[in-house]
Amino acid sequence: GAVVSQHPSWVICKSGTSVKIECRSLDFQATTMFWYRQFPKQSLMLMATSNEGSKATYEQGVEKDKFLINHASLTLSTLTVTSAHPEDSSFYICSAYEEGRANVFEQFFGPGTRLTVL
Amino acid sequence: GQQVMQIPQYQHVQEGEDFTTYCNSSTTLSNIQWYKQRPGGHPVFLIQLVKSGEVKKQKRLTFQFGEAKKNSSLHITATQTTDVGTYFCAGEYSSASKIIFGSGTRLSIRP
Repeated sequence: GAVVSQHPSWVICKSGTSVKIECRSLDFQATTMFWYRQFPKQSLMLMATSNEGSKATYEQGVEKDKFLINHASLTLSTLTVTSAHPEDSSFYICSAYEEGRANVFEQFFGPGTRLTVL
Repeated sequence: GQQVMQIPQYQHVQEGEDFTTYCNSSTTLSNIQWYKQRPGGHPVFLIQLVKSGEVKKQKRLTFQFGEAKKNSSLHITATQTTDVGTYFCAGEYSSASKIIFGSGTRLSIRP
Protein backbone atom coordinates (compact mmCIF):
# COMPACT_ATOMS: atom_id res chain seq x y z
CA GLY A 1 0.00 0.00 0.00
CA ALA A 2 0.85 3.65 -0.19
CA VAL A 3 3.14 5.11 2.46
CA VAL A 4 2.72 8.30 4.43
CA SER A 5 5.55 9.52 6.58
CA GLN A 6 5.62 12.06 9.37
CA HIS A 7 8.46 13.99 10.88
CA PRO A 8 9.34 14.29 13.64
CA SER A 9 7.93 11.21 15.34
CA TRP A 10 8.12 12.94 18.69
CA VAL A 11 8.99 16.41 19.91
CA ILE A 12 9.30 18.11 23.27
CA CYS A 13 9.20 21.88 23.36
CA LYS A 14 8.88 24.74 25.78
CA SER A 15 5.66 26.61 26.21
CA GLY A 16 5.43 29.55 23.83
CA THR A 17 7.53 28.05 21.06
CA SER A 18 6.31 26.88 17.66
CA VAL A 19 6.59 23.37 16.31
CA LYS A 20 6.36 22.25 12.69
CA ILE A 21 5.22 18.77 11.75
CA GLU A 22 5.68 17.42 8.24
CA CYS A 23 3.49 14.90 6.48
CA ARG A 24 4.69 13.35 3.25
CA SER A 25 3.16 10.94 0.80
CA LEU A 26 6.11 8.87 -0.32
CA ASP A 27 4.94 7.03 -3.40
CA PHE A 28 1.84 8.84 -4.51
CA GLN A 29 0.50 12.32 -4.98
CA ALA A 30 -2.00 13.60 -2.48
CA THR A 31 -4.00 16.68 -3.36
CA THR A 32 -5.80 16.32 -0.06
CA MET A 33 -4.39 15.45 3.32
CA PHE A 34 -6.07 15.39 6.69
CA TRP A 35 -4.74 16.36 10.09
CA TYR A 36 -6.03 14.69 13.24
CA ARG A 37 -5.20 14.86 16.88
CA GLN A 38 -5.67 12.05 19.30
CA PHE A 39 -5.61 12.35 23.08
CA PRO A 40 -4.66 9.28 25.10
CA LYS A 41 -7.23 6.52 24.88
CA GLN A 42 -9.51 8.68 22.79
CA SER A 43 -10.63 8.75 19.20
CA LEU A 44 -9.15 10.71 16.33
CA MET A 45 -10.51 14.20 16.02
CA LEU A 46 -10.29 15.76 12.59
CA MET A 47 -8.63 19.16 12.82
CA ALA A 48 -8.47 20.27 9.23
CA THR A 49 -8.43 19.27 5.61
CA SER A 50 -5.31 20.34 3.80
CA ASN A 51 -5.71 21.10 0.11
CA GLU A 52 -2.74 21.46 -2.21
CA GLY A 53 -2.44 24.97 -3.51
CA SER A 54 -5.28 26.42 -1.46
CA LYS A 55 -6.25 27.24 2.08
CA ALA A 56 -6.95 24.51 4.53
CA THR A 57 -10.47 23.86 5.75
CA TYR A 58 -10.63 23.85 9.52
CA GLU A 59 -13.13 22.01 11.64
CA GLN A 60 -15.30 23.90 14.07
CA GLY A 61 -13.44 24.81 17.21
CA VAL A 62 -9.96 24.53 15.69
CA GLU A 63 -8.04 27.82 15.72
CA LYS A 64 -6.59 28.35 12.27
CA ASP A 65 -4.15 30.98 13.53
CA LYS A 66 -2.78 28.54 16.07
CA PHE A 67 -2.59 25.48 13.83
CA LEU A 68 -1.12 26.70 10.57
CA ILE A 69 -1.39 24.30 7.66
CA ASN A 70 0.55 24.60 4.44
CA HIS A 71 0.11 22.14 1.59
CA ALA A 72 2.81 23.43 -0.72
CA SER A 73 3.17 20.42 -2.98
CA LEU A 74 1.38 17.24 -3.95
CA THR A 75 3.49 15.25 -1.52
CA LEU A 76 3.92 17.52 1.46
CA SER A 77 1.68 19.13 4.03
CA THR A 78 2.92 20.83 7.17
CA LEU A 79 1.19 21.60 10.43
CA THR A 80 2.72 24.31 12.60
CA VAL A 81 1.56 24.58 16.18
CA THR A 82 2.24 28.20 17.05
CA SER A 83 2.89 29.43 20.57
CA ALA A 84 2.39 25.95 21.92
CA HIS A 85 0.97 25.42 25.38
CA PRO A 86 0.77 22.29 27.55
CA GLU A 87 -2.84 21.72 26.51
CA ASP A 88 -1.60 21.31 22.92
CA SER A 89 0.29 18.19 23.97
CA SER A 90 -1.21 15.39 21.94
CA PHE A 91 -0.65 12.83 19.23
CA TYR A 92 -0.96 14.45 15.81
CA ILE A 93 -1.63 12.17 12.84
CA CYS A 94 -1.90 13.02 9.18
CA SER A 95 -3.49 10.98 6.43
CA ALA A 96 -3.85 11.08 2.70
CA TYR A 97 -5.68 9.28 -0.03
CA GLU A 98 -4.79 8.76 -3.65
CA GLU A 99 -6.74 10.50 -6.34
CA GLY A 100 -8.43 8.28 -8.84
CA ARG A 101 -9.05 5.31 -6.62
CA ALA A 102 -12.74 5.74 -7.03
CA ASN A 103 -13.79 2.19 -6.34
CA VAL A 104 -12.07 1.69 -3.03
CA PHE A 105 -11.27 4.64 -0.91
CA GLU A 106 -8.35 3.91 1.33
CA GLN A 107 -6.93 6.51 3.57
CA PHE A 108 -3.27 6.05 4.49
CA PHE A 109 -2.17 7.27 7.86
CA GLY A 110 1.20 8.56 8.89
CA PRO A 111 2.83 7.08 12.00
CA GLY A 112 1.97 10.16 14.03
CA THR A 113 3.89 12.81 15.95
CA ARG A 114 3.77 12.93 19.70
CA LEU A 115 4.02 16.52 20.90
CA THR A 116 4.79 17.30 24.52
CA VAL A 117 4.76 20.93 25.58
CA LEU A 118 6.45 21.67 28.86
CA GLY B 1 -23.89 18.00 13.22
CA GLN B 2 -22.55 14.81 11.73
CA GLN B 3 -21.73 12.31 14.40
CA VAL B 4 -20.73 8.67 14.51
CA MET B 5 -21.51 6.84 17.72
CA GLN B 6 -19.71 3.60 18.56
CA ILE B 7 -20.37 1.04 21.27
CA PRO B 8 -19.20 -0.52 23.44
CA GLN B 9 -16.29 1.58 24.62
CA TYR B 10 -14.45 -1.43 26.03
CA GLN B 11 -14.76 -5.16 25.61
CA HIS B 12 -12.78 -7.73 27.54
CA VAL B 13 -13.24 -11.28 26.29
CA GLN B 14 -11.78 -14.71 26.81
CA GLU B 15 -9.65 -15.88 23.92
CA GLY B 16 -11.85 -17.82 21.58
CA GLU B 17 -14.99 -15.83 22.33
CA ASP B 18 -16.64 -13.65 19.74
CA PHE B 19 -16.56 -9.86 19.70
CA THR B 20 -18.81 -7.26 18.09
CA THR B 21 -18.63 -3.48 17.89
CA TYR B 22 -21.41 -1.30 16.53
CA CYS B 23 -21.52 2.11 14.89
CA ASN B 24 -24.42 4.39 14.26
CA SER B 25 -24.63 7.64 12.36
CA SER B 26 -27.21 10.35 12.82
CA THR B 27 -27.43 10.83 9.05
CA THR B 28 -26.97 8.68 5.97
CA LEU B 29 -23.41 7.83 5.10
CA SER B 30 -21.76 7.65 1.71
CA ASN B 31 -19.57 4.87 3.01
CA ILE B 32 -18.14 3.58 6.24
CA GLN B 33 -14.63 2.43 6.93
CA TRP B 34 -13.13 0.36 9.69
CA TYR B 35 -9.69 0.79 11.20
CA LYS B 36 -7.64 -1.03 13.79
CA GLN B 37 -5.14 0.74 16.01
CA ARG B 38 -2.71 -1.23 18.09
CA PRO B 39 -1.44 0.36 21.31
CA GLY B 40 1.17 2.95 20.40
CA GLY B 41 0.46 2.63 16.69
CA HIS B 42 -1.50 4.50 14.09
CA PRO B 43 -4.83 3.50 12.57
CA VAL B 44 -4.64 0.85 9.89
CA PHE B 45 -7.34 0.58 7.28
CA LEU B 46 -9.30 -2.66 7.37
CA ILE B 47 -12.15 -2.24 4.93
CA GLN B 48 -14.63 0.09 3.30
CA LEU B 49 -18.33 -0.60 2.89
CA VAL B 50 -20.27 1.34 0.29
CA LYS B 51 -23.45 -0.45 -0.66
CA SER B 52 -26.62 -0.63 1.36
CA GLY B 53 -26.83 -3.95 3.20
CA GLU B 54 -23.30 -4.88 2.22
CA VAL B 55 -21.55 -7.70 4.06
CA LYS B 56 -17.85 -8.36 3.69
CA LYS B 57 -15.63 -10.93 5.32
CA GLN B 58 -11.94 -11.00 6.03
CA LYS B 59 -11.07 -14.36 7.55
CA ARG B 60 -12.58 -14.18 11.06
CA LEU B 61 -13.83 -10.61 10.63
CA THR B 62 -17.31 -9.86 9.29
CA PHE B 63 -18.32 -6.32 8.41
CA GLN B 64 -21.90 -5.21 7.79
CA PHE B 65 -23.41 -2.00 6.49
CA GLY B 66 -27.04 -1.35 7.30
CA GLU B 67 -29.80 -1.07 4.74
CA ALA B 68 -30.28 2.60 5.54
CA LYS B 69 -26.52 3.22 5.42
CA LYS B 70 -26.59 4.66 8.90
CA ASN B 71 -25.18 1.80 10.92
CA SER B 72 -22.46 -0.76 10.69
CA SER B 73 -20.94 -3.56 12.70
CA LEU B 74 -17.70 -5.47 12.95
CA HIS B 75 -17.84 -9.01 14.27
CA ILE B 76 -14.79 -11.08 15.11
CA THR B 77 -15.29 -14.81 15.47
CA ALA B 78 -13.13 -16.78 17.90
CA THR B 79 -10.88 -13.95 19.00
CA GLN B 80 -7.13 -14.40 19.22
CA THR B 81 -4.57 -12.41 21.18
CA THR B 82 -3.47 -10.76 17.94
CA ASP B 83 -6.89 -9.12 17.71
CA VAL B 84 -6.08 -6.85 20.67
CA GLY B 85 -6.39 -3.16 19.86
CA THR B 86 -8.90 -0.41 19.35
CA TYR B 87 -11.33 -0.71 16.48
CA PHE B 88 -12.66 2.48 14.97
CA CYS B 89 -15.40 2.99 12.48
CA ALA B 90 -15.23 6.11 10.36
CA GLY B 91 -18.05 7.52 8.34
CA GLU B 92 -17.80 9.50 5.18
CA TYR B 93 -20.77 11.64 4.24
CA SER B 94 -19.87 12.34 0.67
CA SER B 95 -17.42 10.61 -1.59
CA ALA B 96 -13.74 11.27 -0.91
CA SER B 97 -14.38 13.96 1.67
CA LYS B 98 -13.56 14.20 5.34
CA ILE B 99 -14.35 11.27 7.55
CA ILE B 100 -15.67 11.29 11.06
CA PHE B 101 -14.33 8.69 13.45
CA GLY B 102 -16.35 6.85 16.01
CA SER B 103 -15.08 6.83 19.58
CA GLY B 104 -13.58 3.38 19.17
CA THR B 105 -13.97 0.08 20.95
CA ARG B 106 -10.97 -1.19 22.84
CA LEU B 107 -10.69 -4.95 22.74
CA SER B 108 -8.64 -6.80 25.33
CA ILE B 109 -8.33 -10.56 25.52
CA ARG B 110 -7.71 -13.01 28.34
CA PRO B 111 -5.43 -15.81 27.12
